[in-house]
Amino acid sequence: AQKITQTQPGMFVQEKEAVTLDCTYDTSDPSYGLFWYKQPSSGEMIFLIYQGSYDQQNATEGRYSLNFQKARKSANLVISASQLGDSAMYFCAMSPLGQAGTALIFGKGTTLSVSS
Amino acid sequence: EAQVTQNPRYLITVTGKKLTVTCSQNMNHEYMSWYRQDPGLGLRQIYYSMNVEVTDKGDVPEGYKVSRKEKRNFPLILESPSPNQTSLYFCASSLSLRGLWTEAFFGQGTRLTVV
Repeated sequence: AQKITQTQPGMFVQEKEAVTLDCTYDTSDPSYGLFWYKQPSSGEMIFLIYQGSYDQQNATEGRYSLNFQKARKSANLVISASQLGDSAMYFCAMSPLGQAGTALIFGKGTTLSVSS
Repeated sequence: EAQVTQNPRYLITVTGKKLTVTCSQNMNHEYMSWYRQDPGLGLRQIYYSMNVEVTDKGDVPEGYKVSRKEKRNFPLILESPSPNQTSLYFCASSLSLRGLWTEAFFGQGTRLTVV
């Protein structure tokens, strides 16, 4: 069965510090995509970053990077130089190839609080 | 502008009164899906559609119906809403690229309260 696990219900970080949000996944598919979304208090879902299972390099988008360790089935999100605006809920998601109906499977989310 | 549009954003209704939440996307995406988000449970898929006239159940389909008569629209229908359907609902659409789904584009969400 496909599953995403986010073990940190809440994380706290100070401005300008880096923070890592954990995500592990379970799939038997050889090809899959991994995603991170941000949900601020206003409620919308904002796409942050994508990693393909066959990508050789870890994905990077500005201050966001995805620490992809395929053997450990982990896809942690690293936010460098945290900002107050980073306070939000963060969801890890997976898209398994071949499981057409389950285009995106989500974890339960991690709430990040950034303080000044 | 590429977007997924959901309406209404907020809705309070009474038990048993049929309602429809509309969803429309302008990106020509094949795949559309409905999720509900509840505290501590993350996002759970209700129904999905691979293309026009093709729909199927997700993880939590009970009490919901959908239709996909046109590629751009994917309404969610609650025939007889109950209080346990109080939730935040998201519509999403995706494109298949080389067999993998690209990132989903989400609507703004519909906060539904059933009293």
